[in-house]
Amino acid sequence: GDSVTQMEGPVTLSEEAFLTINCTYTATGYPSLFWYVQYPGEGLQLLLKATKADDKGSNKGFEATYRKETTSFHLEKGSVQVSDSAVYFCALSDQRGSQGNLIFGKGTKLSVKP
Amino acid sequence: DSGVTQTPKHLITATGQRVTLRCSPRSGDLSVYWYQQSLDQGLQFLIQYYNGEERAKGNILERFSAQQFPDLHSELNLSSLELGDSALYFCASSERDRNYGYTFGSGTRLTVV
Repeated sequence: GDSVTQMEGPVTLSEEAFLTINCTYTATGYPSLFWYVQYPGEGLQLLLKATKADDKGSNKGFEATYRKETTSFHLEKGSVQVSDSAVYFCALSDQRGSQGNLIFGKGTKLSVKP
Repeated sequence: DSGVTQTPKHLITATGQRVTLRCSPRSGDLSVYWYQQSLDQGLQFLIQYYNGEERAKGNILERFSAQQFPDLHSELNLSSLELGDSALYFCASSERDRNYGYTFGSGTRLTVV
């Protein structure tokens, strides 16, 4: 079945460092891909998305490119801030579901130190 | 505020009991999804409703059930609770198009003692 694999955390970076969180997927068909962020004590928020191959999603300085040839959707940010500390989830839309149920990776916890 | 409202925020109950979690979707959204988040299993899709009808089922136990009412709010019923049911339960809503992603509520933290 469809699945998402994320790099295991936690990831600890200093402020202004470069961030990469790896995400690869296995899916039949052509899923849409998403990154969600969960701040402590809150629900998940959609960070960015890409709906077809070579699409680049971007938001708040974060970027990810849908790479069909490598089945990847890695999240990057050039300069992280302390406020970026959160758990990041990669997800894909389940093509079998009639309305697109999401399949999530296990999440990567990011801690940014001042 | 995401626009998706979940109540209660916290719930503590004993094994064997039954609880009801409530979700009001964002205005205009017709689909409601329920997810369970636990440390060992991560985020697991439970069930989806669209405009009052069940549309998809995931890893939902037979002890669990849900429904969506005419006003589009949804309830998740958990019965014969076990310690392992302790988790965060999230509701999310979306418009018809699956590619737009979900809007999540802030969750209900269920603790079974």
